[in-house]
Order: sequence, then C-alpha cells, then structure tokens
Amino acid sequence: GAGVSQSPSNKVTEKGKDVELRCDPISGHTALYWYRQRLGQGLEFLIYFQGNSAPDKSGLPSDRFSAERTGESVSTLTIQRTQQEDSAVYLCASSLGQALNQPQHFGDGTRLSIL
Amino acid sequence: AQSVTQPDIHITVSEGASLELRCNYSYGATPYLFWYVQSPGQGLQLLLKYFSGDTLVQGIKGFEAEFKRSQSSFNLRKPSVHWSDAAEYFCAVTRSNDYKLSFGAGTTVTVRA
Repeated sequence: GAGVSQSPSNKVTEKGKDVELRCDPISGHTALYWYRQRLGQGLEFLIYFQGNSAPDKSGLPSDRFSAERTGESVSTLTIQRTQQEDSAVYLCASSLGQALNQPQHFGDGTRLSIL
Repeated sequence: AQSVTQPDIHITVSEGASLELRCNYSYGATPYLFWYVQSPGQGLQLLLKYFSGDTLVQGIKGFEAEFKRSQSSFNLRKPSVHWSDAAEYFCAVTRSNDYKLSFGAGTTVTVRA
C-alpha cells in the first residue's frame, strides 16, 4: 500500500493476556519506529529499527515489551502479561532513512484496551 | 534532556478566524522542530519542520511556524481556519543526528461554525 499499515486497528483484551501488534511500513523505508500514545499525552518513543543494525530498545518501558522486524519489512510489537496501564494507542512510523530530512510517516495506530 | 511544552490543552476557534498554537521547548543545543497534526482516528501527518535558515517556515494546509530562539518557542499559525482543521496538533523536538522525537502533550483544536 501507499502508507504505513497497522493491524489490528482496535484490540480489547483481558489483563494478563499477551498481545501482538503488526506494522507494515512503506515499501523501501529502512527505518521503522514504534511509539505509545497514552490518553491526553504526547507520543513516547518505544523502539527503533534501521536496516540490519541492532534496534534501539531504549524506550521500551519494561521487559514485557519486545519487538521484532524481518529485514526491512513487517514489524511486530509484543506485549506479554498485559496490564491496565498498557492501554494506549500504539503508533508505528517509517522513514526512508535515519536522517531527519527524511520525515517519519505514521500509521493510523492500534488502540489497545486492557480490561 | 529535551522537553516540549504545549501550554494550551484545548483551543476553540471560529471558522475563518486566525489560529495560533504555542510550543515551547527546553533544549541546550540547536533544536530540530516539527509540527504534526492528528485527525480523529488517523495517524500523525507532518505539517512542517525547522532545521536551520529562515526562522519562518511554511508548511502544508496553509500553516506556518516561527522559530524564536530567544523565547525557545516554535508557534504554529494559520491566518484563516477551516472546519477541516479540527484536530489534535503536536509539537516535537530533537537534535541533529537523533531520530528520537520528543513530543508535547498536544493541543486539541475545535472549529465552530
């Protein structure tokens, strides 16, 4: 597709369950980012992938959070043993490269609700 | 550490009136500054960015922003608001060679007829 695609668009799950969120970046974009947006707050950086380099995981809030990316394509964000504070919109973005003159293109996000 | 403050949580403006959204940053070095817009149920779209040079930058959808180093501000403006401008607006900052953006909490804009 033309833009960043995220699935599912909405996810409701019970506390303690694992969830997996998917991101399809724009074709050819080597950089991929995950952000979390809690209600009434700005975006928090979670993790960054650039090509085959080791990902920058410095924003992951706990070891329950992990992410993978296959080459320069799909990425999945996994949250294990979900807690209510994990409820948020999870946004994925991709860009042609790391340089800031390559803008980040965002998907529509996955709204995650933990009951 | 860098931080971004958007003092106005919510602004209501009449269609056709002017709009100004405030953004203040706290950062020691020369910042790279961005404004994004998020329409309901959608992802963020880049409106404009400032890296260097002319401190008044033009963006899409008729928006502009002015970088004022002395005030640590990067306010967003639009001379005449359209109903379709109702959305949430985020200011973001980073430094050169850093891909991590720090976002403000956002300003929600409501446009009344």
